Amino acid sequence: DGGITQSPKYLFRKEGQNVTLSCEQNLNHDAMYWYRQDPGQGLRLIYYSQIVNDFQKGDIAEGYSVSREKKESFPLTVTSAQKNPTAFYLCATSLQGPPAEQYFGPGTRLTVT
Amino acid sequence: SQKIEQNSEALNIQEGKTATLTCNYTNYSPAYLQWYRQDPGRGPVFLLLIRENEKEKRKERLKVTFDTTLKQSLFHITASQPADSATYLCALPGAGDDKIIFGKGTRLHILP
Repeated sequence: DGGITQSPKYLFRKEGQNVTLSCEQNLNHDAMYWYRQDPGQGLRLIYYSQIVNDFQKGDIAEGYSVSREKKESFPLTVTSAQKNPTAFYLCATSLQGPPAEQYFGPGTRLTVT
Repeated sequence: SQKIEQNSEALNIQEGKTATLTCNYTNYSPAYLQWYRQDPGRGPVFLLLIRENEKEKRKERLKVTFDTTLKQSLFHITASQPADSATYLCALPGAGDDKIIFGKGTRLHILP
């Protein structure tokens, strides 16, 4: 987990509510990533950012939004438009973009009922 | 489209033996390949990177091979231990080379 903090570890929300997941890093890494992992599935990229004030959509961006106002922070908002939000969300950072190795946070398990 | 395949079946290996995991890919020629380890309920941890011009890479009890002709990487753990039990993910560059794509992973059980 190193210098990457994700909070909270478990999050419960009612359907129709937006929720923001926190990701903070003190590694001074430029690149940050958000992934979603479902049971028995690999990691799927939601959004990523190579530099402050810039970010790109990943493979499953619909229903999510992000901001990168500070180098240390890359919060992810799961909106009510996301059809199946219940999942394990992982934030990662890397010193630079690929092929630099990625460092992962401990994850947030979101349950929406 | 780019596709990564890892054995979806769990792999059971006796302690002390060599565990070999496979990562196959189709529809592109990656410049590198990465392997990560993930324990239940935790984020993945980077293990090794191998580039297309490297046939083999070693780190302690770990060995990775990269066969660009077969479009396959093999991940070996020698003298396996129960503590090696985890899910192992391979990852390759995604389109545009500014991201990586992960396979679904193979769960490895080392039996004492």
